[in-house]
Amino acid sequence: DADVTQTPRNRITKTGKRIMLECSQTKGHDRMYWYRQDPGLGLRLIYYSFDVKDINKGEISDGYSVSRQAQAKFSLSLESAIPNQTALYFCATSGFRDRASDDEQFFGPGTRLTVL
Amino acid sequence: AQKITQTQPGMFVQEKEAVTLDCTYDTSDPSYGLFWYKQPSSGEMIFLIYQGSYDQQNATEGRYSLNFQKARKSANLVISASQLGDSAMYFCAMGEGQTQGGSEKLVFGKGTKLTVNP
Repeated sequence: DADVTQTPRNRITKTGKRIMLECSQTKGHDRMYWYRQDPGLGLRLIYYSFDVKDINKGEISDGYSVSRQAQAKFSLSLESAIPNQTALYFCATSGFRDRASDDEQFFGPGTRLTVL
Repeated sequence: AQKITQTQPGMFVQEKEAVTLDCTYDTSDPSYGLFWYKQPSSGEMIFLIYQGSYDQQNATEGRYSLNFQKARKSANLVISASQLGDSAMYFCAMGEGQTQGGSEKLVFGKGTKLTVNP
């Protein structure tokens, strides 16, 4: 089974709808992240969380909210979806390491979201 | 200012030849990490190689090596003996923003699309 799972894998919705993307991990990591990927722009950080009580905004948090329900679960919500939120969304995790700069991130398979 | 710059939107290489994908970075942190990820057409992000700012030697992982030039702030990925399966997007990323136990987040470049020709 995959260590980082995302549901749904694909979603088509309409403008104005509320959408939730879910992420679960079995790696036992404390740190979880949400990114979006647009063609030509690479990955941009939306929100990240270092533990259940910690939520931080990333580079492009406007229009999004998150919930860290448990160590293993981190959900991303679009309260009122708009077409320019059409993108590939990735969840990622990383663990506590001994070296300060040693923090590989493990990615989920991605959710392809289309907002019509 | 961009923290990670990948100047090659696309690269082509013949099968079995070596190819270098460029990455330059900008940081004032003395401690940071540099990562390369591969994204095939199927979409998943695959970790390839890591280089720490204090590492004395260039990182190597199988056919992948990282040409780390700290003074120039460059961390180029070298793929030796290219294979058709190497065709993919490649992303350079940097971890910075030091907290206890690791950096806060990764900053990604815009990627380079590599095409391996038979």
